[in-house]
Amino acid sequence: AQTVTQSQPEMSVQEAETVTLSCTYDTSESDYYLFWYKQPPSRQMILVIRQEAYKQQNATENRFSVNFQKAAKSFSLKISDSQLGDAAMYFCAYRRANNDMRFGAGTRLTVKP
Amino acid sequence: DADVTQTPRNRITKTGKRIMLECSQTKGHDRMYWYRQDPGLGLRLIYYSFDVKDINKGEISDGYSVSRQAQAKFSLSLESAIPNQTALYFCATSDGRIQETQYFGPGTRLLVL
Repeated sequence: AQTVTQSQPEMSVQEAETVTLSCTYDTSESDYYLFWYKQPPSRQMILVIRQEAYKQQNATENRFSVNFQKAAKSFSLKISDSQLGDAAMYFCAYRRANNDMRFGAGTRLTVKP
Repeated sequence: DADVTQTPRNRITKTGKRIMLECSQTKGHDRMYWYRQDPGLGLRLIYYSFDVKDINKGEISDGYSVSRQAQAKFSLSLESAIPNQTALYFCATSDGRIQETQYFGPGTRLLVL
């Protein structure tokens, strides 16, 4: 079974600074998708960024970018110029095509003003 | 995501009671999912459905059942609620395209006394 590990239960960052959240996963597949979701106190799950495993280029969405290392099965999220509104739980997720999604346990990010 | 709605948003029930959580979507997606979220465990898949006639068990289906009444509606039932089913429940949808992104409802917080 595929597993997703987020080794940092909590992280904190100073406003305007950069923070990196770690994620590793276990799979024997070559074709899959990786995601980062954000869950603010409102508890809504919000897609932050997505990466297709067949793409070598790291995905970027404004201040959010990933470092995808396929051989190492690592998928970290970098948040640049952190803002107070970035404070939330962040979940890494893995999914094979036509299959269910597996989530990590989450990392709680605190942003200090 | 306002296109995916869940009712009720909060529910308190007693052990042994039957309850139903409902999910509706206006995104026109064929695929729908039910997850539960527990602290420290992330989200875990309960059931999923790729179309009206297709129902599949997820990682933790014991004690739950589902009904896909229409493309837009997917209900989760707890036939006889127990306290360890206290959790946050999410419905999600996807269109099954290559991007494989899931869109989540606002969640239902369930407390079983």
